[in-house]
Amino acid sequence: DTEVTQTPKHLVMGMTNKKSLKCEQHMGHRAMYWYKQKAKKPPELMFVYSYEKLSINESVPSRFSPECPNSSLLNLHLHALQPEDSALYLCASSQEGLTYNEQFFGPGTRLTVL
Amino acid sequence: GENVEQHPSTLSVQEGDSAVIKCTYSDSASNYFPWYKQELGKRPQLIIDIRSNVGEKKDQRIAVTLNKTAKHFSLHITETQPEDSAVYFCAATSTPNDYKLSFGAGTTVTVRA
Repeated sequence: DTEVTQTPKHLVMGMTNKKSLKCEQHMGHRAMYWYKQKAKKPPELMFVYSYEKLSINESVPSRFSPECPNSSLLNLHLHALQPEDSALYLCASSQEGLTYNEQFFGPGTRLTVL
Repeated sequence: GENVEQHPSTLSVQEGDSAVIKCTYSDSASNYFPWYKQELGKRPQLIIDIRSNVGEKKDQRIAVTLNKTAKHFSLHITETQPEDSAVYFCAATSTPNDYKLSFGAGTTVTVRA
């Protein structure tokens, strides 16, 4: 399996809802990432997990809460989001212990906050 | 931090012609430069990358060149085809195992049939 998968593909939520995004990979990668991407813009890094530990938090608001239950799974818990949080949320993974690691992206979850 | 500038923002070419996208970076310590292609509604996918110890790399119709002295790198697509239409992002990272890719703003390439 050489893919990163994400569920759901689309998500519409109200500002008071709680929802979660899920990401999965079975390539044995030990680094996993969450990105946010607005239309026609490059991906913006949000979080990085290395060996299931949070390694980087790019000053993301606390209404976004990441979780890495095991080496294959990455979740992003959402609560009290704002309409400006509407975007494509991409998960990615890469190998650890090697230089110049290619990041493999999932197809993304398109999130709309009403 | 690293700052990557990418030009042009849009590029329209006739099918069969070549396309060139240029990026400059600010951090002289940057040593890995990937290029991602993102088709409409799809995920970004790595199409080619270059390390700092290499000046040029080619993969079929795609080539990347790197000029470390001038701190710029370029993507060249020859014999363009309609399926080359997409947004292309250059990126740079400054250390081995560095998780943070600094992306350029992107170039929307349209190949006219």
